[in-house]
Amino acid sequence: NAGVMQNPRHLVRRRGQEARLRCSPMKGHSHVYWYRQLPEEGLKFMVYLQKENIIDESGMPKERFSAEFPKEGPSILRIQQVVRGDSAAYFCASSREWNTEAFFGQGTRLTVV
Amino acid sequence: GEDVEQSLFLSVREGDSSVINCTYTDSSSTYLYWYKQEPGAGLQLLTYIFSNMDMKQDQRLTVLLNKKDKHLSLRIADTQTGDSAIYFCAVPMEYGNKLVFGAGTILRVKS
Repeated sequence: NAGVMQNPRHLVRRRGQEARLRCSPMKGHSHVYWYRQLPEEGLKFMVYLQKENIIDESGMPKERFSAEFPKEGPSILRIQQVVRGDSAAYFCASSREWNTEAFFGQGTRLTVV
Repeated sequence: GEDVEQSLFLSVREGDSSVINCTYTDSSSTYLYWYKQEPGAGLQLLTYIFSNMDMKQDQRLTVLLNKKDKHLSLRIADTQTGDSAIYFCAVPMEYGNKLVFGAGTILRVKS
């Protein structure tokens, strides 16, 4: 059973471009969480999704950021018109149920130049 | 507000025990986690404890949870140089896996 898979592992974007980060949860997991880690900080919650539904997006910036978890395929975190301050590591986690153990992927390191 | 605090730095000699502490303001009743992160790498799940437990032991790792004092600790026995990394505690707030992470404790192991 493969773990949580994130791709790409590293992503470089120029200011103003779009970044799309993908997360495939563990098999049998339908709950996905995105977290952001700014340089030399801990992780901060962004959004919680269950298949086709956004459950909690209280940690998501109001503009330029969106997330989805379609019926088929991975969860996508999309950042439009990236700025330098978006440079961070973005981690995805998944769990089978809302209150069972969560497992994290290896993260996507976004660098905006 | 919800807050998780950890000491920033811990230095130990190889072979000694390391104890990393974490305090939090509130927690929902699910799992509390310890993660390890090496420079430039992802998060490695070390261990976790369910909120109705006081202690969990897993090889060299011992997790203690004091719910009354809202205190979580990770003890690493016989610390090795390969244990040098940043250690994060993560506590569920409001519900399930909406986790609040501490800022991380840098563990340095001297040989």
